[in-house]
Amino acid sequence: NAGVMQNPRHLVRRRGQEARLRCSPVKGHSHVYWYRQLPEEGLKFMVYLQKENIIDESGMPKERFSAEFPKEGPSILRIQQVVRGDSAAYFCASSPNSQGAGGELFFGEGSRLTVL
Amino acid sequence: KQEVTQIPAALSVPEGENLVLNCSFTDSAIYNLQWFRQDPGKGLTSLLLIQSSQREQTSGRLNASLDKSSGRSTLYIAASQPGDSATYLCAVRLYNTDKLIFGTGTRLQVFP
Repeated sequence: NAGVMQNPRHLVRRRGQEARLRCSPVKGHSHVYWYRQLPEEGLKFMVYLQKENIIDESGMPKERFSAEFPKEGPSILRIQQVVRGDSAAYFCASSPNSQGAGGELFFGEGSRLTVL
Repeated sequence: KQEVTQIPAALSVPEGENLVLNCSFTDSAIYNLQWFRQDPGKGLTSLLLIQSSQREQTSGRLNASLDKSSGRSTLYIAASQPGDSATYLCAVRLYNTDKLIFGTGTRLQVFP
């Protein structure tokens, strides 16, 4: 009965490289959310996806960031040409349904990105 | 714009004390409110979820209340233990969106 699984747990990249963070939701959950936690700050919403659809990406930076949740496989958060300011903990959460039906979120352990 | 504030930012108490953590939000049009615990370097563990139509929820030594009209929630921890040491986050879920808006947390330390 696995919860939300994120990998890698820790990732180190040099400026200009690409970072790919993966999230497998709780089995049976079709709604995935990505949040970012900058050092000494609270969690900020980035994007909300359902299978094959981006529902709300209002929290995503306009450039270099993208997310997908394909029909098969995990959700991917991709950061191109990373900069030092991208260093943060990236959390994935899933829920079995949208807010219309209760909407409790379950979070993964996070992926901690360090950009050198 | 919804803003969520948590007071105090940090709290250090001897074990056995009963604690109250506060969360306030500026827009009362919320769908639900969720309290989480975050241990250092770890993810978030959901503690309690209160729907907008509810006044409180209880789980073990934890009790969370919700007063939408005043934009407040409190998390009550009874008979605190060193294992309760963590950061406690509250988050509100808005109508018409699926976002959670988080507070910046209360960092709790319970010493023996």
